[in-house]
Formats: sequence, C-alpha cells, structure tokens
Amino acid sequence: DIQMTQSPSSLSASVGDRVTITCRASQGIRNDLNWYQQKPGQAPKRLIYAASSLQSGVPARFSGSGSGTEFTLTISSLQPEDFATYYCLQHNSYPRTFGQGTKVEIK
Amino acid sequence: EVQLVESGGGLVKPGGSLRLSCAASGFTLSSYTMNWVRQAPGKGLEWVSSISSNSYYIYYADSVKGRFTISRDNARNSLFLQINSLRVEDTAVYYCARDSTFAGVIVGFDYWGQGTLVTVSS
Repeated sequence: DIQMTQSPSSLSASVGDRVTITCRASQGIRNDLNWYQQKPGQAPKRLIYAASSLQSGVPARFSGSGSGTEFTLTISSLQPEDFATYYCLQHNSYPRTFGQGTKVEIK
Repeated sequence: EVQLVESGGGLVKPGGSLRLSCAASGFTLSSYTMNWVRQAPGKGLEWVSSISSNSYYIYYADSVKGRFTISRDNARNSLFLQINSLRVEDTAVYYCARDSTFAGVIVGFDYWGQGTLVTVSS
C-alpha cells in the first residue's frame, strides 16, 4: 500500500500569508495526486487534480506542484474563506490513500 | 448539474447491518467508476471501496473486506454499499464520490455527495 505523509498536521496563519502544505508518497505515484479542501459539516471539495491542474472554479491563489513522491499545495495569499482542512489523495493504485490532513487556522 | 445524494444511514447496534444508497443525477452513471469514502467523527478521510463502471473491478479497504459489499445499478442511476457485522469503529459519515477522467486518464474523485451518518452503538 502507498502511504501518504502530509505535513504539517496543523498551522496558524494570517490573512494574506503564503501557505504551503506538503504530501510525501511512500513510493512514486507519477502525478496521480489530488488536493481537497474540507470545511466543517461539508463534503471535500477538489482544488487540484493531476498534481498541478486547477479545478474549474477554484481561485488562482491555489496551486499545486510536484511529481513522483513529493507534492506541494500552495495558497499564495490566504483569504478568510480558506480556513479549513486540506487533504491529499493518491489515485495511482489501490487502495486509494489520503494524507492525514492539515488544519489551517486563524492566527 | 452533477448531484450525488446518499441515504440509508442511521443508528445500529454492533453486529448489525445497513444498506447505504447513493442516487446519481446530472451525468451518465454507467460511464464512471464510483467510490465510497468515510470519515469518522473528528478524523480524516478513509477510502472504503471502488467499483468500475461495469462492476467488473471491485476493490475494498482491508478494514472492511469481507463485511462490506459495493454494488451498482446503472439503469437506476444508483450506487450501494451493504455493510454487515458493523463495529463501533465503523461509525462515520459515508460519502459516495465519482472518479473523474481527463483525456482518458483517471484523475481522482471530482464530485462528492453530502454524506450519510452511520452510528454503531449499543
């Protein structure tokens, strides 16, 4: 099974800050990685697919990068509506696996 | 508009059973691999099971293998999850999610339902 190690598990940031979240795969997964945002009581919402492609309708301040085993989600300028929990998902092989999540909180 | 609506959750005793449903609309269900993902209260996301468009390929997480059965009825635009021998640790919100493709390549889950809560307690 492919393990996805996501870091940090939580972070505190201010509006306008640049935020970076990392996912590391235990083996190479090409670019078979998605990033999701989840707010309390809501279903996850896809932000990024294929590691770096922006989902339609998602603000351009979100970006993804990486390939193989190291991936990054960047929020260039944090907005109030971005305070949420973020997850990565690998879909290179079964079982599909998620990172543990990163909770982004207000500083 | 793509919509996925789960139903069938509830309170059940350990050892009991439930059948979850996911009603799909706004797209042709028969063209997509579908998935179940769960989230225990206050915890992260856990993939549970996947079923290919024609039901030929089926996969389960080790934690549910032998107890859960995924199925689909494309004619009724519905996905199902039969969950048996329920344990307290199966308590979670269960989401159905659609696999998406781009230029013929699988690119992970795009649309998700709002989830249905399964509570296992005596």
